[in-house]
Amino acid sequence: DIQMTQSPSSVSASVGDRVTITCRASQGISSWLAWYQQKPGKAPKLLIYAASSLQSGVPSRFSGSGSGTDFTLTISSLQPEDFATYYCQQANSFPWAFGQGTKVEIK
Amino acid sequence: EVQLLESGGGLVQPGGSLRLSCAASGFTFSSYAMSWVRQAPGKGLEWVSAISGSGGSTYYADSVKGRFTISRDNSKNTLYLQMNSLRAEDTAVYYCAKDQGAQWLGYYGMDVWGQGTTVTVSS
Repeated sequence: DIQMTQSPSSVSASVGDRVTITCRASQGISSWLAWYQQKPGKAPKLLIYAASSLQSGVPSRFSGSGSGTDFTLTISSLQPEDFATYYCQQANSFPWAFGQGTKVEIK
Repeated sequence: EVQLLESGGGLVQPGGSLRLSCAASGFTFSSYAMSWVRQAPGKGLEWVSAISGSGGSTYYADSVKGRFTISRDNSKNTLYLQMNSLRAEDTAVYYCAKDQGAQWLGYYGMDVWGQGTTVTVSS
């Protein structure tokens, strides 16, 4: 089974900061990776699919990159509504797996 | 409007059973794979199970294999999760989610999620 490891587990940042979250797969998954944002008490929201494709309606300050085993989610200029928990998820092979999550907190 | 609405959650004793439902609307249900994803209190997301659009292929997390069964009724636009031999560690909010792509299962991510239904396993 493929394991997904995110870092950091949490990050404190200010509005306007650039934030980068890393996700590593235990084996190569090509570009079969998605990123989700979740706010407390809400369902997850798809941000990025196929490692770097921006989901329709998602602000362009969000971007994804990587292939194989190492991936990143970047928020270029953090906005108040971006404080949330972010998860990566591999869909290269079953069982699918999520990373443990990265909480983006207000500094 | 594309929508998913889960139901069927509740309190059940260890060893008991429960069936979750997810009613879909606003899209051609049979064209898309569907998944169940759960989240234990204060924890991260855990993928549970997926099923192809036709229902002919099913997939499970190791933690639920042999105890949970995913199914769908395309005539009723409804996804199900039959949960047997429930354990305390199955306590979670269960979400159903729609695959975005009609092909290449999972490649395009899960773009529509329900609001979740809570399952509590406790004596």
